[in-house]
Amino acid sequence: TQLLEQSPQFLSIQEGENLTVYCNSSSVFSSLQWYRQEPGEGPVLLVTVVTGGEVKKLKRLTFQFGDARKDSSLHITAAQPGDTGLYLCAAVNAGGTSYGKLTFGQGTILTVHP
Amino acid sequence: NAGVTQTPKFRVLKTGQSMTLLCAQDMNHEYMYWYRQDPGMGLRLIHYSVGEGTTAKGEVPDGYNVSRLKKQNFLLGLESAAPSQTSVYFCASSYTNRVRSYGYTFGSGTRLTVV
Repeated sequence: TQLLEQSPQFLSIQEGENLTVYCNSSSVFSSLQWYRQEPGEGPVLLVTVVTGGEVKKLKRLTFQFGDARKDSSLHITAAQPGDTGLYLCAAVNAGGTSYGKLTFGQGTILTVHP
Repeated sequence: NAGVTQTPKFRVLKTGQSMTLLCAQDMNHEYMYWYRQDPGMGLRLIHYSVGEGTTAKGEVPDGYNVSRLKKQNFLLGLESAAPSQTSVYFCASSYTNRVRSYGYTFGSGTRLTVV
């Protein structure tokens, strides 16, 4: 079973600051996803990245997939209180038959103060 | 709204009691999953199903059973609950194939406490 390491585990910042969350593994992924989860709710898919070196933007969020498809990052520009939540990366192993099973990182709890 | 519905939302069980968690999806997804979420441990896969009538074990299957009698429903059973099964349980469904994932749609979770 692959291990996905997210860092940092906790992040507390002021409104308007920038931040980056990292997701790393020693395994190669066929695809990687980022989710956001609010208290009392299930995770919601933000983005899926598939190609090494791929960069995707979702408003103030920028997602990057490493060239070797072993790592990814999520960068938020000018964070707002509404960005507060738990951010999870999740990945599918490259090769073989995965049946879409995702392995999740431990998550990053982001708090943005007004 | 289309999506994944989980019932119940909250439950308290005594050790040794049994219960079934219900999950229903209306997106015609073939693949369905049950995860548990514990502090500091992320989401861990309990069981999954790749279609009606099929089930398979995930990372932490012990103490749980599942059934997928209809495509839209995926049931998770606890035959004899233990305090270690206190957790938040999430059901998810996905349009996917054998080698890649197109992303999960999650339910809102069931918070289970075993005393």
